[in-house]
Amino acid sequence: EDQVTQSPEALRLQEGESSSLNCSYTVSGLRGLFWYRQDPGKGPEFLFTLYSAGEEKEKERLKATLTKKESFLHITAPKPEDSATYLCGGADKLIFGTGTRLQVFP
Amino acid sequence: NAGVMQNPRHLVRRRGQEARLRCSPMKGHSHVYWYRQLPEEGLKFMVYLQKENIIDESGMPKERFSAEFPKEGPSILRIQQVVRGDSAAYFCASSPGTTSEKLFFGSGTQLSVL
Repeated sequence: EDQVTQSPEALRLQEGESSSLNCSYTVSGLRGLFWYRQDPGKGPEFLFTLYSAGEEKEKERLKATLTKKESFLHITAPKPEDSATYLCGGADKLIFGTGTRLQVFP
Repeated sequence: NAGVMQNPRHLVRRRGQEARLRCSPMKGHSHVYWYRQLPEEGLKFMVYLQKENIIDESGMPKERFSAEFPKEGPSILRIQQVVRGDSAAYFCASSPGTTSEKLFFGSGTQLSVL
């Protein structure tokens, strides 16, 4: 069964404290992996698509990496405005993980 | 260029009534996807449509739920005879082409069944 699993479920960081979010997947024939950010009461907002193992993409304080089995979203020196739920999902399989709820405190 | 528009933003129904959720995709997008999200849970895929065609409805409940994307007008997700368990946020997304391209999401419709 195709599955996307994210960890941790919740993460509390102090402002400036770098960390990583994990997304592991068992999806046959996966052609791409998404990362999205979702703020409370809003729809998910696109961050990255990764297509092949070894690929990396960056946007401000975020960097996404991909291996054959998992993806990481690295957050460097986070700020309170980075607080959100981060979702990963299989691009052409239309499935998402349950997300990591990130809280960054000043 | 307006984003994906969903309405209503909030919808309250009593058990047994019908709920109609509307989604207008971004201009130029011909692919629409519906997802359901419960509190503290991820997005659950329901159905994927192109104009006038259902491409994948593997996530749709077998009864009471239907979706359409007519040649003209918005996509509609219809829930007949709603029950309390249907209460959730329903999100629509659109894309210009295949599912491997990024999805643009609307702000969702929060359905509450009394």
